[in-house]
Amino acid sequence: AQSVTQLDSHVSVSEGTPVLLRCNYSSSYSPSLFWYVQHPNKGLQLLLKYTSAATLVKGINGFEAEFKKSETSFHLTKPSAHMSDAAEYFCVVTIFGNEKLTFGTGTRLTIIP
Amino acid sequence: DSGVTQTPKHLITATGQRVTLRCSPRSGDLSVYWYQQSLDQGLQFLIQYYNGEERAKGNILERFSAQQFPDLHSELNLSSLELGDSALYFCASSVGLSGSYEQYFGPGTRLTVT
Repeated sequence: AQSVTQLDSHVSVSEGTPVLLRCNYSSSYSPSLFWYVQHPNKGLQLLLKYTSAATLVKGINGFEAEFKKSETSFHLTKPSAHMSDAAEYFCVVTIFGNEKLTFGTGTRLTIIP
Repeated sequence: DSGVTQTPKHLITATGQRVTLRCSPRSGDLSVYWYQQSLDQGLQFLIQYYNGEERAKGNILERFSAQQFPDLHSELNLSSLELGDSALYFCASSVGLSGSYEQYFGPGTRLTVT
């Protein structure tokens, strides 16, 4: 079984300040973890993924996430927010060999000018 | 642009009707996934096809069905439509069978049932 919990439904930060979007997961086996972003009226785009290689994963647009097995977390961070980062972010879990992705409920990121 | 195309972009229909949503995967991708996104249910996995065969099922209603054709495009058929079926339907494709491969999402079809 697998599940994912996004701890914040809405996060607001000022432009130029750090971003932290939190995600905890549950998985019976070693998980594969993803962060996807969805801009308004658009499809989802992969930001980054963890598949049991390096625990610190770098993605596109300056985002990164750290896999912490002891804390069952996979939080998404960015040092400096940009207005274009305003979007919905989804944390996703699966198990290698499993076809099904389980999505979190999403975190809406608002950037304050 | 992800390379995944979906038609139509918008669809408005009445309760009890049947509609077909179409998806063309990225060139070279063998897997096609269908998802439903609604305000109350969030983003839910419906079904996956790999090289023409059904491989995984999620929360797909019996009124819904899908298939993947020899040219790898896929269709999602929704019948006996209800108001609650109004949602954004996404198709995604990936190169491999496992969910660990990156999925590329299409722009979605917005279905409104009146």
